[in-house]
Amino acid sequence: GENVEQHPSTLSVQEGDSAVIKCTYSDSASNYFPWYKQELGKGPQLIIDIRSNVGEKKDQRIAVTLNKTAKHFSLHITETQPEDSAVYFCAAEPYSGGGADGLTFGKGTHLIIQP
Amino acid sequence: KAGVTQTPRYLIKTRGQQVTLSCSPISGHRSVSWYQQTPGQGLQFLFEYFSETQRNKGNFPGRFSGRQFSNSRSEMNVSTLELGDSALYLCASGEGLNTEAFFGQGTRLTVV
Repeated sequence: GENVEQHPSTLSVQEGDSAVIKCTYSDSASNYFPWYKQELGKGPQLIIDIRSNVGEKKDQRIAVTLNKTAKHFSLHITETQPEDSAVYFCAAEPYSGGGADGLTFGKGTHLIIQP
Repeated sequence: KAGVTQTPRYLIKTRGQQVTLSCSPISGHRSVSWYQQTPGQGLQFLFEYFSETQRNKGNFPGRFSGRQFSNSRSEMNVSTLELGDSALYLCASGEGLNTEAFFGQGTRLTVV
């Protein structure tokens, strides 16, 4: 089955600086890569996603890049703000002709924005 | 549009009991998937339903089961509860398979 590794487990950055979180996946059949933000006491919130036919996607201060050959994808947050502090999860979903196999998540990155 | 609604939010059960959790997806969504979140194992896929059919199942024992109704609402059941079943159970809905998945706030289950 799919295996997703996520690094770092904790990331502390100064407010206004950029943050980068990296993930690798193992199953070449994975074609969908979402990123979720989870705040304390809440469910994961989808913040951006990318499919395997696209190399990069941007939404305001957030961007995701995908390297299919190397099987890794990254989340980039620019001009970080205090409200960006949360746990971020990457995920991958293999898809075959029979249907999707469910999301496999990384272990999460605790992002801390220092004022 | 209302988001994904999970009930109850909190639950305390005794070992050996069974429990049923409920999930109402976003209106118009036909896919519902369930995940277990624990500090040690992280987020793990339980199963996914689409058009009342289980499409895929994660690596969990048969004590974990679910179903989906014709209105796309879903329930999951855990029988013979064990202490290790204590977790946040999350439901996500999507328009179809392999589409964006939107999570509810979860049900926090504590087994004592």
